[in-house]
Amino acid sequence: GAVVSQHPSRVICKSGTSVKIECRSLDFQATTMFWYRQFPKQSLMLMATSNEGSKATYEQGVEKDKFLINHASLTLSTLTVTSAHPEDSSFYICSARWGGQGNEQFFGPGTRLTVL
Amino acid sequence: KQEVTQIPAALSVPEGENLVLNCSFTDSAIYNLQWFRQDHGKGLTSLLLIQSSQREQTSGRLNASLDKSSGRSTLYIAASQPGDSATYLCAVSGGGADGLTFGKGTHLIIQP
Repeated sequence: GAVVSQHPSRVICKSGTSVKIECRSLDFQATTMFWYRQFPKQSLMLMATSNEGSKATYEQGVEKDKFLINHASLTLSTLTVTSAHPEDSSFYICSARWGGQGNEQFFGPGTRLTVL
Repeated sequence: KQEVTQIPAALSVPEGENLVLNCSFTDSAIYNLQWFRQDHGKGLTSLLLIQSSQREQTSGRLNASLDKSSGRSTLYIAASQPGDSATYLCAVSGGGADGLTFGKGTHLIIQP
């Protein structure tokens, strides 16, 4: 299958700082990228959907000013958690897809964010 | 809004047993359904993808079926092994959402 990478895999930061997470599709062009969040012992929840060159669409309850998403190219999307707080500590996973909704999404390995 | 339910939430069985994990979804207008495996603290491993036009998919000891009209899927694991211990997630594409809607998972433990 296609390969999606995420960087960093783990980050620990102080409350109030901003953290950027990168998601890259390594061997295909991703017209759409998705960001999910997983709290401990919970399932994955979709945060936002981004199409290359367009503004991201956020799910209900996700603050767009806090979780900034940029999808500047067909192989790279970034998620910036601004002014992170301990409640933002979570496992963030991106996925990438080429084409329409019937196509498979390929997932990155995830980024574990811990905010002290 | 699409909702995905997985039963059971947890399962512990001795090695060698055949298992069935269940997944149901509320909106049958899906594009596809996918089963994933997640080891503790790790990312997702895709196991099987079933398109909405398909009835089942097989990979090794795994077989997944899809009954789209009734909103159900099952994952069958044959001859379970301790290495199969993990959380198994079911997710659907469509039904009102562009991204995947995940169930809460079945936490599986295979006893040696």
